[in-house]
Amino acid sequence: AQTVTQSQPEMSVQEAETVTLSCTYDTSENNYYLFWYKQPPSRQMILVIRQEAYKQQNATENRFSVNFQKAAKSFSLKISDSQLGDTAMYFCAFMAGANFGNEKLTFGTGTRLTIIP
Amino acid sequence: DAGITQSPRHKVTETGTPVTLRCHQTENHRYMYWYRQDPGHGLRLIHYSYGVKDTDKGEVSDGYSVSRSKTEDFLLTLESATSSQTSVYFCASGVVGFEQYFGPGTRLTVT
Repeated sequence: AQTVTQSQPEMSVQEAETVTLSCTYDTSENNYYLFWYKQPPSRQMILVIRQEAYKQQNATENRFSVNFQKAAKSFSLKISDSQLGDTAMYFCAFMAGANFGNEKLTFGTGTRLTIIP
Repeated sequence: DAGITQSPRHKVTETGTPVTLRCHQTENHRYMYWYRQDPGHGLRLIHYSYGVKDTDKGEVSDGYSVSRSKTEDFLLTLESATSSQTSVYFCASGVVGFEQYFGPGTRLTVT
């Protein structure tokens, strides 16, 4: 079974600064996907970024980028130029390779990020 | 945003009563999922479906059943609600498993 660990329950940062959220995972799979989801106070789950394990290049989406270290089983999220709207709970998630029967997400326990004006 | 709705959005019920939550999607997605969210646990998979009438158990399936008679609807039933099932329930759907779009959630309180 896969496990996902987020060791930072809460973080806060000043607006416009850069913040990095940590995530580690454990798996015996070689092909898999990793995700970061954002859950603002509205409770809606929003996909921030996705990384395919077979891709060496780190995924980026505007101000959001990841540092994917496959050997270390580490998958951190960097938010640059943080904005007040980034205040949310952030979840790291894992999915084993897209073979039939594997299409299930395993989530970490989340990091509550607060952007301070 | 994918057209995923959940009903009801809030529900209070008593211990021992049956409860059914509904997830409806208008995207013709093959995969549908039910998760529960509890403090300190993140989201945990209850059941999922990979097609009409094709379902499978997730991590925390005890006390829950599901049905999917149409592509667009995925029902979650608590046969006899218990206080430990007080939670926020999320539905998700996707064409493929690694693209899951979430509904707005249902807050269920069992008294």
